Amino acid sequence: GEDVEQSLFLSVREGDSSVINCTYTDSSSTYLYWYKQEPGAGLQLLTYIFSNMDMKQDQRLTVLLNKKDKHLSLRIADTQTGDSAIYFCASDSGGYQKVTFGTGTKLQVIP
Amino acid sequence: EAQVTQNPRYLITVTGKKLTVTCSQNMNHEYMSWYRQDPGLGLRQIYYSMNVEVTDKGDVPEGYKVSRKEKRNFPLILESPSPNQTSLYFCASRGAATNEKLFFGSGTQLSVL
Repeated sequence: GEDVEQSLFLSVREGDSSVINCTYTDSSSTYLYWYKQEPGAGLQLLTYIFSNMDMKQDQRLTVLLNKKDKHLSLRIADTQTGDSAIYFCASDSGGYQKVTFGTGTKLQVIP
Repeated sequence: EAQVTQNPRYLITVTGKKLTVTCSQNMNHEYMSWYRQDPGLGLRQIYYSMNVEVTDKGDVPEGYKVSRKEKRNFPLILESPSPNQTSLYFCASRGAATNEKLFFGSGTQLSVL
């Protein structure tokens, strides 16, 4: 079946850039998502990229997609303490296909 | 407001006592799904439904049941809960078109003693 992998933990200093990486196996992925989960809260869709794009930028967030290597990354510029959360990468083939989630990367921002 | 509503938010129960977690969406979505979240394992799909009266197993269906009698509701049923079902549960929904995004409920934290 499809698989999505992420590292479990990332620690950065406030003001630095964070880069969270993800690899996936489903070559039919239509969308790739980044969800953010703050402590005790549900999943919030942070950003997404369509599979025919290489890059998407949204304010402090930059998503890079290397479709050949099936590698996705999320860069957070000028990381703030409010960015501390778990970030989930997800692969979606659209329609009635299953959305497959990674294990989540816990981002710790050190003041 | 478009939303997926789960109830209850927190639930503590004992082994073997049947329980139901409700999920309702107001977006007329065809697709609904249940996930459980466990530390280090991410979100794993339990069951999903493509439309009314159409349900199918996900990756971890053992010990769970679902039903889809109406389009808006997709309850998760634990007939005889066990401690290994202690987890954080999320319901999600989306439309059938290719570019539809997945909407999540706020989660149900279940503890089975």
